[in-house]
Amino acid sequence: NAGVTQTPKFRVLKTGQSMTLLCAQDMNHEYMYWYRQDPGMGLRLIHYSVGEGTTAKGEVPDGYNVSRLKKQNFLLGLESAAPSQTSVYFCASSQGANYGYTFGSGTRLTVV
Amino acid sequence: QQQVKQSPQSLIVQKGGISIINCAYENTAFDYFPWYQQFPGKGPALLIAIRPDVSEKKEGRFTISFNKSAKQFSLHIMDSQPGDSATYFCAASDYNTDKLIFGTGTRLQVFP
Repeated sequence: NAGVTQTPKFRVLKTGQSMTLLCAQDMNHEYMYWYRQDPGMGLRLIHYSVGEGTTAKGEVPDGYNVSRLKKQNFLLGLESAAPSQTSVYFCASSQGANYGYTFGSGTRLTVV
Repeated sequence: QQQVKQSPQSLIVQKGGISIINCAYENTAFDYFPWYQQFPGKGPALLIAIRPDVSEKKEGRFTISFNKSAKQFSLHIMDSQPGDSATYFCAASDYNTDKLIFGTGTRLQVFP
């Protein structure tokens, strides 16, 4: 039982490059979330999904896009990376907002 | 009204002491209050959670105290150990929302 798996674990991008972060969960959870964590800023919600085919904006969505084509996968895309997007990105899943989240181990992204 | 205010930002405790982290909220519809523990380089993990039908929940050395009238809840770590050194996040949600609202986190350091 892997839980929530994030790939890749580390990545260095040049400004302007694009990339996709993949989150996969094997718990049949309906809800999935993407957060970024920066020093002193806590967890900030980027986008989330309440079911296959749905997406919604969080508090810091600019510069990111998401897709939830399959229930078990939630993709986070950076179209044109900027140094301000240097961060640690966490994916989480849940059977509902009123239940505990299971987080992945994170992706450390550096944009130079 | 959607905020969860967490204090202190950082906490230093001696081994064997009691660590106390406090959170306050405004939304009276919140009915799920989890705490997450995050070790460096790892994703947050659900530690303990409470629903407002009880005023206290204990799991080992970890206790949540909940004060519905004051709209406050706190995490108490008894007999704190160096292995408890981590960042702790409180959160809240209600069944009408799609997501947890996180506090800003408390960095706990327990010294031998």
